[in-house]
Amino acid sequence: DIQMTQSPSSLSASVGDRVTITCRASQSISSYLNWYQQKPGKAPKVLIYAASNLRSGVPSRFSGSGSGTDFTLTVSSLQREDFATYYCQQSYNTPSITFGQGTRLEIK
Amino acid sequence: EVQLVESGGGLVQPGRSLRLSCAASGFTFDDFAMHWVRQAPGKGLEWVSGISWDSGSIGYADSVKGRFTISRDNAKNSLFLQMNSLRAEDTALYFCAKDTVAGSRSWNYFDYWGQGILVTVSS
Repeated sequence: DIQMTQSPSSLSASVGDRVTITCRASQSISSYLNWYQQKPGKAPKVLIYAASNLRSGVPSRFSGSGSGTDFTLTVSSLQREDFATYYCQQSYNTPSITFGQGTRLEIK
Repeated sequence: EVQLVESGGGLVQPGRSLRLSCAASGFTFDDFAMHWVRQAPGKGLEWVSGISWDSGSIGYADSVKGRFTISRDNAKNSLFLQMNSLRAEDTALYFCAKDTVAGSRSWNYFDYWGQGILVTVSS
């Protein structure tokens, strides 16, 4: 199975900061990488699909990049509503899907 | 409006069985792959199982393989998860999620989720 490793596991930042979260796959997954945001008590919400495509309705301060094994999610200027937990997910290895362990983004 | 509503959760003893259901509406259910994703209390997301639109492609996480069975009834717009030989580590909030892939046996990402149903395995 493909393992997905996110770093850091947690991150403290301030409103207005630029932050980057990294996701590494245990083998190449081309661009089959998606990013989700989850707030407490809520279902996850997709932000980025196919590594770099912004899902409709998601603010443009979110962006994704990467291919192969290394991927990043960047928030260009943090807003208060962005403090949440973020997960990467690979869909290369159908019929198997794996998530990263999550990155908790907290207010400094 | 797409809606996914899970049901069938609850408290169950170790070794027993439970069947989860997900009622779908607001989209052409038999076009899309569907999945179950779970989240143990205070933990991250874990994909559990997925099924293609025609049930021709099915997958399971290693942690549930041989114990859980996914199925769907396209005539009733419903997704199911039969969970047997339940263990304490299966305790989690179980989400039903819709894939974006239509008419294919490959999977992509999840664009709609239910609110989740809690399964607690304890004696």
